[in-house]
Amino acid sequence: NAGVTQTPKFRVLKTGQSMTLLCAQDMNHEYMYWYRQDPGMGLRLIHYSVGEGTTAKGEVPDGYNVSRLKKQNFLLGLESAAPSQTSVYFCASSYSTANGQPQHFGDGTRLSIL
Amino acid sequence: GENVEQHPSTLSVQEGDSAVIKCTYSDSASNYFPWYKQELGKRPQLIIDIRSNVGEKKDQRIAVTLNKTAKHFSLHITETQPEDSAVYFCAANKQGAQKLVFGQGTRLTINP
Repeated sequence: NAGVTQTPKFRVLKTGQSMTLLCAQDMNHEYMYWYRQDPGMGLRLIHYSVGEGTTAKGEVPDGYNVSRLKKQNFLLGLESAAPSQTSVYFCASSYSTANGQPQHFGDGTRLSIL
Repeated sequence: GENVEQHPSTLSVQEGDSAVIKCTYSDSASNYFPWYKQELGKRPQLIIDIRSNVGEKKDQRIAVTLNKTAKHFSLHITETQPEDSAVYFCAANKQGAQKLVFGQGTRLTINP
């Protein structure tokens, strides 16, 4: 099993460009999450999904959109990239968290906005 | 909503000594508390977790303790080794919630 796979691993964008980050999991997890991690900072939740076709806002959703058309995939979109969105983006997935389940993380996408 | 505070932000210990990292949470309904280790440039990885019906859990050199009354939980690493150097994050969930709230992280450095 690959676990949680994120593509691409690195990307450099110019201000105003758009792009989509892809997260794929093969663990049949219901829940999926997108976080951003800035240097020396913790993990901040951008958006999450509790099942196919559902999405919800997290702590820092502005400037991002997400889609969960298939259970195994969770896409994060930047419509008009800004330098403030330079960060490392982590995707995670888990079984139902009703009674607490660990989240499994991908290797991250390092995104630089010039 | 839930708020998780983690201390200290940095910790330096001599190899072989013990390290303790503490987190406090605000929501008394929280019932799941995982700890993640993140090595430089890598993903966060779960190292141990504890549920609210348990006071302590051990796994070889690491242990986690939970004090529900005081709303805090701690990570204990004994006989530290250089490979323990990393950033450690605590987190808290609550029953029925769909998210984990993470602490700000502790950078642990093991000095040889």
